[in-house]
Amino acid sequence: DADVTQTPRNRITKTGKRIMLECSQTKGHDRMYWYRQDPGLGLRLIYYSFDVKDINKGEISDGYSVSRQAQAKFSLSLESAIPNQTALYFCATSDPGGGGQFFGPGTRLTVL
Amino acid sequence: AQSVTQPDIHITVSEGASLELRCNYSYGATPYLFWYVQSPGQGLQLLLKYFSGDTLVQGIKGFEAEFKRSQSSFNLRKPSVHWSDAAEYFCAVGVAPYGNKLVFGAGTILRVKS
Repeated sequence: DADVTQTPRNRITKTGKRIMLECSQTKGHDRMYWYRQDPGLGLRLIYYSFDVKDINKGEISDGYSVSRQAQAKFSLSLESAIPNQTALYFCATSDPGGGGQFFGPGTRLTVL
Repeated sequence: AQSVTQPDIHITVSEGASLELRCNYSYGATPYLFWYVQSPGQGLQLLLKYFSGDTLVQGIKGFEAEFKRSQSSFNLRKPSVHWSDAAEYFCAVGVAPYGNKLVFGAGTILRVKS
């Protein structure tokens, strides 16, 4: 089984809809992250959480919110989706020692 | 602010040829540096990392990278490229604390010709 799973893997939605992307991990890591990937821009950090009670904004948090339901679960919400939020979204986890982040397979989101 | 520059958007090499992907970073403190690879339709896989010590680090799949503080560089190398190495490669710098927040470069797409 994959260490970091994301659901759904693909989603098409309409402008103005609320959508939630979910991430679960079995690595036992405290730290979790949400990124979006756009062609030519690499990955940009949306939100991160260093433990269940700690949520922090990243580089591009506007239009997004997150919920850390448990150590193993970290969800990303788009309250009112807009077309420029069409992107590939990745969840990642890490341990406190800075050993690098482990990424999920990604969710491809299309907002029409 | 921290930043990572990967000057080459695309690189094409022949199978069996050597490879070097360039990465330059801007960060005020001692950096944590990473290279990731993303195969088509896949997530990112960690190739190697540098925290301290020996400036030449070995990674998976036969890759290595060399940290050069004077040049603010962390270039990725492989002596002989295989067709399966075709992918997108991302360099990242980890910022405090302990390198846990990553700032990524824009990526370099590697094409391998037979």
